[in-house]
Amino acid sequence: RKEVEQDPGPFNVPEGATVAFNCTYSNSASQSFFWYRQDCRKEPKLLMSVYSSGNEDGRFTAQLNRASQYISLLIRDSKLSDSATYLCVVPNTGFQKLVFGTGTRLLVSP
Amino acid sequence: DGGITQSPKYLFRKEGQNVTLSCEQNLNHDAMYWYRQDPGQGLRLIYYSQIVNDFQKGDIAEGYSVSREKKESFPLTVTSAQKNPTAFYLCASSIGAAPQHFGDGTRLSIL
Repeated sequence: RKEVEQDPGPFNVPEGATVAFNCTYSNSASQSFFWYRQDCRKEPKLLMSVYSSGNEDGRFTAQLNRASQYISLLIRDSKLSDSATYLCVVPNTGFQKLVFGTGTRLLVSP
Repeated sequence: DGGITQSPKYLFRKEGQNVTLSCEQNLNHDAMYWYRQDPGQGLRLIYYSQIVNDFQKGDIAEGYSVSREKKESFPLTVTSAQKNPTAFYLCASSIGAAPQHFGDGTRLSIL
């Protein structure tokens, strides 16, 4: 299994739809997980951190399944402005090294 | 406002030339990082530094060099030994295990 693996998409959804992305990871010792959003030709920006079973922030919910070693990101009521690439990030054990997934691209259409 | 500043935004390298990318932060973060991103790929770690005057190689350090003489600054030199330097270079910083904050990147191309 790759250290971090994501479905590249793209996920094409209409405005208002609910969409979910999954991310699998190989390091069972990881204790914290992150979702970043990256717009085209821009830097990644932190969207959510996940330290226990999950986290919710408005329309965004992140859930962690340690037994199956995956984290998911759920976006409700999709907006046009949600169109971006979503990066799953998992720290390695030991030093401050983060492993970035290749990202899942989301396209929200009117 | 605190943040990370990368310069230049665009850079062109001639064959055989070394070029240096600047990264400055005023967040008082101890750790700083350099990543490279190629189209359709995830970020790959080049070098990282957890304290001043100390740095470690990441996954793809060959052809790159760094220095960390000041807490605020972590410049990256792309040497002539890096045969495929065209990429988007991102600098980041963090406090310990906290998530990393990114600069807005430098796009490097070969002339």
